[in-house]
Amino acid sequence: SQELEQSPQSLIVQEGKNLTINCTSSKTLYGLYWYKQKYGEGLIFLMMLQKGGEEKSHEKITAKLDEKKQQSSLHITASQPSHAGIYLCGADVSGGSQGNLIFGKGTKLSVKP
Amino acid sequence: DGGITQSPKYLFRKEGQNVTLSCEQNLNHDAMYWYRQDPGQGLRLIYYSQIVNDFQKGDIAEGYSVSREKKESFPLTVTSAQKNPTAFYLCATRRPNEKLFFGSGTQLSVL
Repeated sequence: SQELEQSPQSLIVQEGKNLTINCTSSKTLYGLYWYKQKYGEGLIFLMMLQKGGEEKSHEKITAKLDEKKQQSSLHITASQPSHAGIYLCGADVSGGSQGNLIFGKGTKLSVKP
Repeated sequence: DGGITQSPKYLFRKEGQNVTLSCEQNLNHDAMYWYRQDPGQGLRLIYYSQIVNDFQKGDIAEGYSVSREKKESFPLTVTSAQKNPTAFYLCATRRPNEKLFFGSGTQLSVL
């Protein structure tokens, strides 16, 4: 069963519009990581969240982790064509005992000029 | 510059053939991972190694094998027992409780 659910699966927005991607787990998230991927390339790290209620921003991207540490959101303000790609959330649900991350299925974002 | 290097970028496998994907890192990280990515399926863990000469199976280890003889290297062999090997393979490294660093990936296809 998929332990990390991402929504939506795909998203098409007009340039300049805001958007939100969600990542939800039935288990406690000991660490939540957001990555961006261009098709056929490796994953580029965006942000890491570890504490309940934590919020981080970089340029026009803001990521939040809820107080219960089971849901995270990624918000893009005033989207640009350069934001297009696949966004994946990854999480440590083992409490650090194994060290590997599990991943959601990704959200494909297209930005129309 | 420190980083993680995967090769080759593209690989083709004939039926019954074993192929090996290379992953090298100079970040001095102990832990290394192999993930498989299929369209619309996200990343699934194949094998991981937290220290030299030791490795563990991930969620989809059947048909794959690995070795960890050096800290810098974690090659993945896709054996003939893997009946559906076509996928994008990603290698990653990590320090404890920090982010995963990913290589640029290898696309494996079947001839």
